[in-house]
Amino acid sequence: SAVISQKPSRDICQRGTSLTIQCQVDSQVTMMFWYRQQPGQSLTLIATANQGSEATYESGFVIDKFPISRPNLTFSTLTVSNLSPEDSSIYLCSVEEGGKYYGYTFGSGTRLTVV
Amino acid sequence: GENVEQHPSTLSVQEGDSAVIKCTYSDSASNYFPWYKQELGKRPQLIIDIRSNVGEKKDQRIAVTLNKTAKHFSLHITETQPEDSAVYFCAAAQTSYDKVIFGPGTSLSVIP
Repeated sequence: SAVISQKPSRDICQRGTSLTIQCQVDSQVTMMFWYRQQPGQSLTLIATANQGSEATYESGFVIDKFPISRPNLTFSTLTVSNLSPEDSSIYLCSVEEGGKYYGYTFGSGTRLTVV
Repeated sequence: GENVEQHPSTLSVQEGDSAVIKCTYSDSASNYFPWYKQELGKRPQLIIDIRSNVGEKKDQRIAVTLNKTAKHFSLHITETQPEDSAVYFCAAAQTSYDKVIFGPGTSLSVIP
């Protein structure tokens, strides 16, 4: 399956600032997804990152708060803007590997704490 | 949009016993149902998946069943071992190429 490098692994940020999370894949993938996982909770889809077009956001998530870039088929970034303590969570990227058995593979996650 | 429910939220079994986790989904257009295992502090890992043209799939001690009419699917783990202890998530998608919507998770504890 694809190998995903997600950075940073964790960060502590001040309220009102922004954090950009990077996701690098070792192979070209069509679909990349960004999820949020709050402590002890399930995974909530933030958006689908499409190469060459704007990301598609799920209900409750907006581009101004979570801008996403997808410059090529191996890389994407998620920015969490204007941070508040409620944004403290784990953020994970995920890739779909073209319908192979491997299904969806996740990055190792970024643990964000907002103080 | 799709909504996935999962029961129970916590499950405790003795080592060697079986564990069953049940899920329901709302979108009749969903055709792909993966199951993920997440150990504490780690990323979710795909353990098995099933597509709508199949009613049951088995991989060693793990099996999944799907009832499309009732919009139910289940995970069965036999001969449980302590290393099976983790949170298990069911999920649904229209195809294996589409966004995946996760259930709330089941925390499984296997008692030695």
